[in-house]
Amino acid sequence: QSALTQPASMSASPGQSITISCTGTSSDVDGYNYVSWYQHHPGKAPRLMIYDLINRPSGVSNRFSGSKSGNTASLTISGLQAEDEADYYCSSYTSSNTQVFGGGTKLTVL
Amino acid sequence: EVQLVESGGGLVQPGGSLRLSCAASRFTFSRYAMTWVRQAPGKGLEWVSTITDNNGSTYYADSVKGRFTISRDNSKNTLYLQMNSLRADDTAVYYCAKDRLSVPEGAYDIWGQGTIVTVSS
Repeated sequence: QSALTQPASMSASPGQSITISCTGTSSDVDGYNYVSWYQHHPGKAPRLMIYDLINRPSGVSNRFSGSKSGNTASLTISGLQAEDEADYYCSSYTSSNTQVFGGGTKLTVL
Repeated sequence: EVQLVESGGGLVQPGGSLRLSCAASRFTFSRYAMTWVRQAPGKGLEWVSTITDNNGSTYYADSVKGRFTISRDNSKNTLYLQMNSLRADDTAVYYCAKDRLSVPEGAYDIWGQGTIVTVSS
């Protein structure tokens, strides 16, 4: 199972919006709405930010939103804050009853 | 506070074995699927294995199939990962994570802090 494709790095200024893409195939992203997004600060436990493509767990800011078009899922962060600087990973359920993560995107808040 | 605490990591020689444990507290452990995820040095997250709630159906990444075994003891609220025939590329931080549901949907809402496994001679 190949990893989902994410941009390796992105940057934006505080207050701006940014969209991180996650491209898969018909066997994962395009075939299911079981796409999740995680925020990971190095040295800490990853945090679930979005599940089932568009849903936010309790406690996650509404500045985070998810969407999908075809085989590409996206995470949009609006009103960027310094604390949003982290690594972001998408993941998807697959037709093999397994999970696959994206390669991760390092977000820098300038 | 809902918590997962991993243990059992360490230094092991290539070809060796190690068993990781993950102790769960403050949630009904038996109701949820549980998963192991790893992160090799300088790399991204990699899904390793998932076990469903009570019936114990198991799923593995191709990279570990036949070498790793996931299991759980619901009476002890503990998840395990038996790792055999370890290779250098198994070196990673291993996280246990709680699935949101009893089946492997793939949304992990609680994570442990991780335990480090180093495979080296």
